[in-house]
Formats: sequence, structure tokens, C-alpha cells
Amino acid sequence: EADIYQTPRYLVIGTGKKITLECSQTMGHDKMYWYQQDPGMELHLIHYSYGVNSTEKGDLSSESTVSRIRTEHFPLTLESARPSHTSQYLCASSEVLGGPLHFGNGTRLTVT
Amino acid sequence: AQSVSQHNHHVILSEAASLELGCNYSYGGTVNLFWYVQYPGQHLQLLLKYFSGDPLVKGIKGFEAEFIKSKFSFNLRKPSVQWSDTAEYFCAVKEGGGADGLTFGKGTHLIIQP
Repeated sequence: EADIYQTPRYLVIGTGKKITLECSQTMGHDKMYWYQQDPGMELHLIHYSYGVNSTEKGDLSSESTVSRIRTEHFPLTLESARPSHTSQYLCASSEVLGGPLHFGNGTRLTVT
Repeated sequence: AQSVSQHNHHVILSEAASLELGCNYSYGGTVNLFWYVQYPGQHLQLLLKYFSGDPLVKGIKGFEAEFIKSKFSFNLRKPSVQWSDTAEYFCAVKEGGGADGLTFGKGTHLIIQP
């Protein structure tokens, strides 16, 4: 059972809506990550955080933003959803830099 | 930029067959290497990892992987697969000193037929 919780598991939303994908972990990990994955493709890092008040952009450019006000919480926000944002979003955390990642179940986002 | 190649996107085997999934990466320096598995309907979970030392690493459920530095490879193996091994398998690499986060391959969808 994952110690990282992502909600919602599935989301279908219309173009132009603002959405926030939630991610929480109970392990006290400082490092947290957001990956984006399209079907049959590799995971791409879009955001990461080293700890509270730390956020960095990943390898893949994304119109989403993140915040890290509390250690356990790392939400991702899209101000205005578009069909090109349709994808699966995976949240992960790590105890140490470069160490193994613990993943949540993901959020499958569909923008119509 | 770092890249990870998994050569087999779909593999179908019968139970008790031996398994080897290929993984090659592009970075020439120090790396941390990982294999993750995603069973149907479940989250990605760590299968095994290599940081340093013995290049043959053993993971959960009878899986092992061998790091061959000269070939930039980290192939996953299992001598005898079971139906429950049906899953998606991802190889991932973290280059030493590089930006945070792992670089993943596209994954291999493994189907084990009873």
C-alpha cells in the first residue's frame, strides 16, 4: 500500500477550468516530485522540491505550478486546463537525494 | 541529456520461462540505477537498485539485475517467471551530481501466459 496519496484518481474536466491535483505523503520525506506520463511513454519530471518553500522545474516544460508549504503536501495546479494537458500525473517522494522514489497511484486527467 | 532505452516494449512469455529485459543508459559518469514495477491497477514500486559495489544486485520476488559499466547496461533477469509477474517494468537512472529526479525508460509491458 502506497504511503503517498493522490487525489483525485481520475478527473475529467472542461477546457479553461482551474484544477489542483493533490499529493500527500506520511513518511516525512523532504524530496518530492511530480512526473507526467503519457500511455506507452516514459515518465517525465515536471516539478520537484527539496523541502518546504523549495520548488524547481523539471526536465519537461509544463504550464503547471506547484507549492510546498508543508513537508507532507505537494499540490500541482493548472490555472487553465487544455486538452494538451490530458495525461497521467504521478507524485513521488524520496528520503535522500538520488535515492529510490516512492510513488502514489497517480491522477489520470482528461481535459475535454 | 541523459536517456534510458528499454529495447523491448512488449514481451510475452510462458510460466517458468526465463526473463531478461534490456536497459541501456547514455550517461558515462557515476550513476544510480533502478528497476521499478507497476502491477495492474497499482502504483509504481521499487524492484531493485544499484548504487555501488557488487554489480549483481538482487531485488524482491526473485528478480536480479547486473550493472555492466562498459556496456552502459542494467538488464533485469528472473530465472523462472510466474503469472503474477505480469506487469509494466521501468528502468530508471540518476546521474551522479546531476539535477534531481530520475530519468525513466519507456517501460516494458510483460505478459506471462499460464
